Parts: sequence; structure tokens; C-alpha cells
Amino acid sequence: EVQLSDSGGRLVQPGGSLRLSCAASGFMFKNYAMAWVRQSPGKGLEWVSGITVSGSDTFYADSVKGRFTISRDNSENKLFLEMNSLRAEDTALYYCVKAGSSVYFHFDKWGQGTVVTVSS
Amino acid sequence: ETVMTQSPATLSVSPGETGTLSCRASQSIGSKLAWYQQKPGQAPRLLIYGASVRATRVPDGFSGSGSGTEFTLTISSLQSEDFAVYYCQQYNDWPLTFGGGTKVEMK
Repeated sequence: EVQLSDSGGRLVQPGGSLRLSCAASGFMFKNYAMAWVRQSPGKGLEWVSGITVSGSDTFYADSVKGRFTISRDNSENKLFLEMNSLRAEDTALYYCVKAGSSVYFHFDKWGQGTVVTVSS
Repeated sequence: ETVMTQSPATLSVSPGETGTLSCRASQSIGSKLAWYQQKPGQAPRLLIYGASVRATRVPDGFSGSGSGTEFTLTISSLQSEDFAVYYCQQYNDWPLTFGGGTKVEMK
């Protein structure tokens, strides 16, 4: 069974940093693109960042570009999101998501989400 | 950026009726369009990709159509478990973008 277990979310002060992790199992992790999608309380879905199978190409929403870094460890079947210079508007439930293929970024599996709260 | 616009924001439907949800892209995205269903307290679930391909284990009461800039999700004979929020997403170009969602509620 395909499983994504995301973790690392917590309360952090504005300007602080956080690292989210996602442990993948039940599929050939190295063969699929991956991404992070977030959802602010009571709001819709916002794509945050994506990464290709090898990790050589990464993509970011303008709202996080220069502050967030996505990476993956194919030997450990893990996806990461390094978040710096956090702002109140980054407060959200962050989902680790699996792309439907190596190249097409529709998302056929979602983690349960990890909550990031940015507040003083 | 490709802006995705969903309509209506809320759709009131009686059980057993058909619901039709629309999604419009601000520029052509070919068929690179996905639909998701989200129930309260749950992660979204992929329903349709490639504009019309049902994902694994999705009932055939869900169907997608369209290409270019106009897309439709049709839910036939709505069941109680189908009342939820539905999002469209384009994956034709960066940044990836979602529509604002359509809430399907019971009339």
C-alpha cells in the first residue's frame, strides 16, 4: 500500500526555520516526482514546491521562492522541505504529495498533512 | 501564471441528481487537468487526471471532460458520500495552480 507520512510541523516564531519530512513507502519512490501542497485554515489548496525524480530540477511558488528548499533522498525514500524566514501567511497544513508519474504533476497520493503555525 | 477559475462556488443538489462543476483556465492547458475531492478533516483524493481519466478505484459516476481552457466534472446520481469540496488543478506549466473549489452540498 502506498503511504506518505509527513512530519515536522510545529509552532514557530516569525522569521524562524523549520524542516518538514515525508517518509514514503509502498512504491518505487525514485521513479516518481514529488511535491508539497499546503492549505491554510478554512481555505483552498496551494501548490508550494515540486521536485523531479532525480532531484536535479526543483520548482517553487512565487510566495516561497528564495525561502523554501525542496529536496529528496532516494536511498532513504524521503522528501524534505526546508523552510526559512517563515511568515504568518505560511501558517497552513502542509501535505506531502506523490505525482502520478515521473513527469506529470497531478497528485495521486497525499500524506495526512503536518501543521505549521507561524506566530509569536 | 495560469489562473484556474471554478464555478459555481457552491452547488446545491438533491441526492440522486446529477451535479455539473466547471473549471476554466486562463490559457490553454491541453488536457493537463486534474480533479480532486476533499471531505472535512481529510486529505484531498484524486478523482480525474488527463481531464477525463478516472483514477484508481474512482466510481464511474464521476466523469471529466474538456480540453484547452474549459473543463467539466460531472457527478451522476449523487450519493451522500459525494457531498464534499472539489478542486481542479492544472499541471501544464509552472507554477502549478488550483482552482478555488466548488462545495457540493445537499439541497
